[in-house]
Amino acid sequence: EPEVTQTPSHQVTQMGQEVILRCVPISNHLYFYWYRQILGQKVEFLVSFYNNEISEKSEIFDDQFSVERPDGSNFTLKIRSTKLEDSAMYFCASRNNQPQHFGDGTRLSIL
Amino acid sequence: AQSVTQLDSQVPVFEEAPVELRCNYSSSVSVYLFWYVQYPNQGLQLLLKYLSGSTLVESINGFEAEFNKSQTSFHLRKPSVHISDTAEYFCAVTPLGGGATNKLIFGTGTLLAVQP
Repeated sequence: EPEVTQTPSHQVTQMGQEVILRCVPISNHLYFYWYRQILGQKVEFLVSFYNNEISEKSEIFDDQFSVERPDGSNFTLKIRSTKLEDSAMYFCASRNNQPQHFGDGTRLSIL
Repeated sequence: AQSVTQLDSQVPVFEEAPVELRCNYSSSVSVYLFWYVQYPNQGLQLLLKYLSGSTLVESINGFEAEFNKSQTSFHLRKPSVHISDTAEYFCAVTPLGGGATNKLIFGTGTLLAVQP
């Protein structure tokens, strides 16, 4: 069965550094998402992406965040200047019809 | 806007006992409903979905959930749990016809802790 793959599985970064989280959605899917889960808390929506543009973003997704689908297969989340509170598990998801299919996540640790 | 409430943060249960994990939602429009499971140190896996049709939906590993529109609930049940069912269970909703978004709104999760 096709899967959503995310790399790296764990990313450790110094505060203030840029980080790029990578996702390869299921190949024929058209809708893409990023969610995050701070340790011990619920999964929160960050951004949705369709037809090469953001369709919705949450309050969390401020100017420090950006998404890109550079080559028709990858879907990336960039955090420009990381903060301690960005430490979380980040999940990528994709779909055509329901449901959304999730990757295994990237654990981002900010030091 | 939608919201999801999972009142039980943790449910301890003995192996082979029945279990019910509760989920209630609030929405001004019709929604699709989902249960996702997260095993330790793993990602989110779809367990069950309700899109339309029969209000009782079943998974391949013995879980079932029933959509109750009048009570705005989608409780998850299993008649006999195994140690391997130990995981965090998340209830989630998304509005019908949400167009290019259809973001998922998650509950806070319930940790099912199965004891021998």
